[in-house]
Amino acid sequence: DSGVTQTPKHLITATGQRVTLRCSPRSGDLSVYWYQQSLDQGLQFLIQYYNGEERAKGNILERFSAQQFPDLHSELNLSSLELGDSALYFCASSVTGGEQPQHFGDGTRLSIL
Amino acid sequence: AQTVTQSQPEMSVQEAETVTLSCTYDTSESNYYLFWYKQPPSRQMILVIRQEAYKQQNATENRFSVNFQKAAKSFSLKISDSQLGDTAMYFCAFMGGGGYQKVTFGIGTKLQVIP
Repeated sequence: DSGVTQTPKHLITATGQRVTLRCSPRSGDLSVYWYQQSLDQGLQFLIQYYNGEERAKGNILERFSAQQFPDLHSELNLSSLELGDSALYFCASSVTGGEQPQHFGDGTRLSIL
Repeated sequence: AQTVTQSQPEMSVQEAETVTLSCTYDTSESNYYLFWYKQPPSRQMILVIRQEAYKQQNATENRFSVNFQKAAKSFSLKISDSQLGDTAMYFCAFMGGGGYQKVTFGIGTKLQVIP
């Protein structure tokens, strides 16, 4: 058990909809990372937060947004969903943020119909 | 931009044997970090091993070791005494050394350990 909790585990929705993915980092970790894993593009870094502030940004679409709250949990919001957004979305955490993602959650499987 | 290349989509190894997974990367940075992550069928990503580019000594972690060739920009993972639980996708990853750097992952190698 990595200590990182992601909800929901599975999400099925339709094109054009909006969803929110939630992540609670491992206790003591201040930094949260979001990744998208799809079959054709592997694991893609989306965004990183440290103690509530955005620290690094990757290939995150404008339709996607994220935030980290004072209690350190994070949410990834995906809007105007397209078929190509179907993927496994991982959250990871680490203590300081200036290091590699240490602990990964089990991921949220998003399926767009 | 950094790139990470894993040229072996799939590999198999007999239980108790040794297998080496290949990874090459491209960067203009001199200070960086390299990692191998494992993703078993349960799909959770697990950090296997980490190598700092400034260290000449290859990292080892129990049955896992790396062969880090900085000049050749090569970072292979050797798994000794393979076990059934080693069956997983293995991802090579790169991170720049400047702090708050994004981690770039390779496409992965699927390893099957055969009883």
